[in-house]
This record gives sequence, structure tokens and C-alpha cells, in this order.
Amino acid sequence: GAGVSQSPSNKVTEKGKDVELRCDPISGHTALYWYRQRLGQGLEFLIYFQGNSAPDKSGLPSDRFSAERTGESVSTLTIQRTQQEDSAVYLCASSHRAASSYEQYFGPGTRLTVT
Amino acid sequence: SQQGEEDPQALSIQEGENATMNCSYKTSINNLQWYRQNSGRGLVHLILIRSNEREKHSGRLRVTLDTSKKSSSLLITASRAADTASYFCATDEAGYSTLTFGKGTMLLVSP
Repeated sequence: GAGVSQSPSNKVTEKGKDVELRCDPISGHTALYWYRQRLGQGLEFLIYFQGNSAPDKSGLPSDRFSAERTGESVSTLTIQRTQQEDSAVYLCASSHRAASSYEQYFGPGTRLTVT
Repeated sequence: SQQGEEDPQALSIQEGENATMNCSYKTSINNLQWYRQNSGRGLVHLILIRSNEREKHSGRLRVTLDTSKKSSSLLITASRAADTASYFCATDEAGYSTLTFGKGTMLLVSP
């Protein structure tokens, strides 16, 4: 079946602009995660959604970052007033449930460059 | 703060040799997972080991877990050029649903 897809694959934006990144999880996966990966670094957790429960936003670095998910489908990560330090690859992952005993399936990521 | 830390940061070997990567973590965990990442894009799950397991095998992969030392190792036997990638360990803090990833080990396997 189809894996996790993300769009766009690459995004170049000017400092101060807003960007929206999209993630389509695997059908039937109730949990969805967003991560940020700076060049040469590990993954930094941003936010996760589990079904219709309130999302865990504890990893969002500032109030410029927000994310939405409708039910168990598509999610969008929005970064307002982008800064150069927001440049990174943004990865989305989904899993059957929001439990650490389940493997996460990752999308190919969106490479964001803020000029 | 980083939960898992991989060691070494980079490893360069010849095809056919074995590659060993280590991961240390700080808090009690329920599970530890290893992932592979090619070309800085999406990660692929390799193996999960539970806190009550000491060793697990999957094909050419062997993972060990020592909860007393809060460490895990990933061994890739008879490496191939296609194994060239970054390898990350991911741990959960007991009671949490999220994973914390280390900075990774970059493995280069030369033909």
C-alpha cells in the first residue's frame, strides 16, 4: 500500500513569509508525528496527534509553529514569519497507535530553506 | 535534551566487514528502536527491542540491550555498500508515547 507522503518535497521561502507543509499518513494509522532535522543532526520532536485526542505540542519551538490534523487524515504544519534558523528537513511519520512499541513509518520529508 | 546518543559519530569500513554502533540513553525505557536514514530523507525502521529483551536478530542485524548500563548496540554483519546510511537509535521514556532520537552514526561502506 501507499506509504507516508509529504509535500512539497522542497520549499524555498523568504524570511518573514509563512509556509505550510503537508503530510498524508498511511491509511488507518491513528498516530501522526512531526519532526525537524537540522543538517547533520538527529530528529527533534515537534508535535504528535493521536486520533481525536488533544495533540501533544510539547516539542514546538515557538508560537510561530502550529499544526492541525482532521480526524485521522491529512496534517499540515504551519510556520509563520519564517526565520533562517527554521531551515531544516521536516519529517512526518505515522504509526498504528501512539505508543512507543509501534514502529513509525516516515515520509520523505520537506526540505525547507529560508533565505 | 538528547535521550539517545550514538557512538561513533562516523564509521568507515570495507565491504564484508562488520559494523558496530552503540547507543547510550539516560532514563528508564520500555523499548528501543533502531532506524536507518539514506541521503537525509525519510527514516526506515530496522528493529525494536523491548526492555526485557537482551538480544534480537533480524537478517544481518543483531541488536543488544543492556538496561543496567543504559546502552544498546547495533551490529551489521558482512556489510555491503548499500548499507551506507545514517543509523539512529530511538528511545521512549517510560510512560511516554513519543520517541527521542539520537544524532546518529554515519556509516560508509566502501566497495
